[in-house]
Amino acid sequence: RKEVEQDPGPFNVPEGATVAFNCTYSNSASQSFFWYRQDCRKEPKLLMSVYSSGNEDGRFTAQLNRASQYISLLIRDSKLSDSATYLCAVNANDYKLSFGAGTTVTVRA
Amino acid sequence: NAGVTQTPKFRILKIGQSMTLQCTQDMNHNYMYWYRQDPGMGLKLIYYSVGAGITDKGEVPNGYNVSRSTTEDFPLRLELAAPSQTSVYFCAIQGEKLFFGSGTQLSVL
Repeated sequence: RKEVEQDPGPFNVPEGATVAFNCTYSNSASQSFFWYRQDCRKEPKLLMSVYSSGNEDGRFTAQLNRASQYISLLIRDSKLSDSATYLCAVNANDYKLSFGAGTTVTVRA
Repeated sequence: NAGVTQTPKFRILKIGQSMTLQCTQDMNHNYMYWYRQDPGMGLKLIYYSVGAGITDKGEVPNGYNVSRSTTEDFPLRLELAAPSQTSVYFCAIQGEKLFFGSGTQLSVL
């Protein structure tokens, strides 16, 4: 089983729609969770950290479910500029992040 | 990408050639990483370093070598390039967050 798994998508949604997707992790000792955004042929950039209580940053909401070992990302009111690949990243407090393969989101006009 | 500089941005190698991918940071962070990313795949950790003079293997170290003689520099060496090493390589530093360089696209033909 892969350490971190994501639905590759693509999720093709119209502008203004809500899109949500999950990322599962296998190591129950994982301590830190993140969502990164990666545009085509560019480096990943941190979108947001994921906290136990869940957190929101504008139109983006991240949730952590430790019991089922997954994190989620929800994007509300999608914009064309949200089109990207979203990578989840997990670490078990050893300063080494494990990344999922990414979920591709395409927002159409 | 202020803070992490990767060179070159693109390179084509012939099978069996060697090369060094350069990574330099000016943020004085101890933790540095090399990842590779194949199309449609997540980032795989090649090597990492927790400080000058200290390096360790990641998930996919075979075919690569690293050194960390200074805090600033963390070069990645390919001794005998193989087609399987065709990939995009990202150097990253760990501060408050994992911060990536702009990447090196390498093709081995």
